[in-house]
Amino acid sequence: GQQVMQIPQYQHVQEGEDFTTYCNSSTTLSNIQWYKQRPGGHPVFLIQLVKSGEVKKQKRLTFQFGEAKKNSSLHITATQTTDVGTYFCANPGGKLIFGQGTELSVKP
Amino acid sequence: EPEVTQTPSHQVTQMGQEVILRCVPISNHLYFYWYRQILGQKVEFLVSFYNNEISEKSEIFDDQFSVERPDGSNFTLKIRSTKLEDSAMYFCASSGGSANYGYTFGSGTRLTVV
Repeated sequence: GQQVMQIPQYQHVQEGEDFTTYCNSSTTLSNIQWYKQRPGGHPVFLIQLVKSGEVKKQKRLTFQFGEAKKNSSLHITATQTTDVGTYFCANPGGKLIFGQGTELSVKP
Repeated sequence: EPEVTQTPSHQVTQMGQEVILRCVPISNHLYFYWYRQILGQKVEFLVSFYNNEISEKSEIFDDQFSVERPDGSNFTLKIRSTKLEDSAMYFCASSGGSANYGYTFGSGTRLTVV
């Protein structure tokens, strides 16, 4: 399966600051999925991006798929303490291959 | 909302013992998966299962591992002779389709091998 790399590994922000995590692949992806895992929890599906250049929003979360379909990003505007967790991108090519994740901590 | 159910939530076992982790996927899903997550690390693919057979497995999924769907609802992962390094959180997941559906994960079984 195609590996996806995520940066940064950790991000500590003050509540109200923005947060972005990036996902990169060396090869073209057919689509990409994003998951959130709260501390001690299980991965929860957030969204799937399929089209080149696609942008999708879920309230304060904005997901982008690059034009070349080799990278993706998740941006959270004005973080809240409920955003704490690890955000994974994943390549769903028949089996879901997760990136290493970005662990977000939010200081109130 | 439909859930993937895993039992037990915690399992402690002696090294060399067999363990069976159980999962009830979402009823109309067709694809089933096992993943594991060693503490602080990423979620790793173990095996996928479709149409009553393994469709893909990773290098981790060696001869000590097996999966079964014994009765059309349960989906089990068996580890025949556990090793210390098998200690991890094991997640079951199911999806409606192979590549175009989000996966629904269970809450996991924390396996501790002592």
